[in-house]
Amino acid sequence: AQKVTQAQTEISVVEKEDVTLDCVYETRDTTYYLFWYKQPPSGELVFLIRRNSFDEQNEISGRYSWNFQKSTSSFNFTITASQVVDSAVYFCALRGGSSNTGKLIFGQGTTLQVKP
Amino acid sequence: DAGVIQSPRHEVTEMGQEVTLRCKPISGHDYLFWYRQTMMRGLELLIYFNNNVPIDDSGMPEDRFSAKMPNASFSTLKIQPSEPRDSAVYFCASLVWGDSGNTIYFGEGSWLTVV
Repeated sequence: AQKVTQAQTEISVVEKEDVTLDCVYETRDTTYYLFWYKQPPSGELVFLIRRNSFDEQNEISGRYSWNFQKSTSSFNFTITASQVVDSAVYFCALRGGSSNTGKLIFGQGTTLQVKP
Repeated sequence: DAGVIQSPRHEVTEMGQEVTLRCKPISGHDYLFWYRQTMMRGLELLIYFNNNVPIDDSGMPEDRFSAKMPNASFSTLKIQPSEPRDSAVYFCASLVWGDSGNTIYFGEGSWLTVV
């Protein structure tokens, strides 16, 4: 079975602090894809990043960075120097590569509040 | 490029009424998905289509729910009759297999309230 766990339900930080959102996944597929989506207060789901299981290279995009570690089945997301606009619910998601072309399994989400 | 377009954005209806949600996927995308988001169950896949054909509808909660995709640019999710427990945000999403990332892109959601 596939599963995504985001153990942190809510995180509150003060602006300019760094924050890491944890994501742990379970899958038996040898090929799979991991995603992070952002859901701001307006409600839409915004794609942030995709990572293939065969590419463990970490990635940085501006203030965002992602740490993918297959050994611990984790795909953590770090926001550096957080801003109020980062306040949102963040979802980690998993999609298997061997079947179920589209079945994204989502974690329960982490609500991030960045206070000024 | 236009993203996934959903309508209506918000709908309030009375229990027992028929509800139809609409979706226009991104042009050229050959997969379309319907997801539902609730506080209790989070984000769950209801059904998805490939080239307009339903592939997996195992997430459709019951016979009151039905989805169609008559052509590559349009899909509907219908609830008949609606019940208060159907209140949720319904997302439509699409992807094109083989693109840079096989990434699923979501619409802005249809916020349904059944009273």
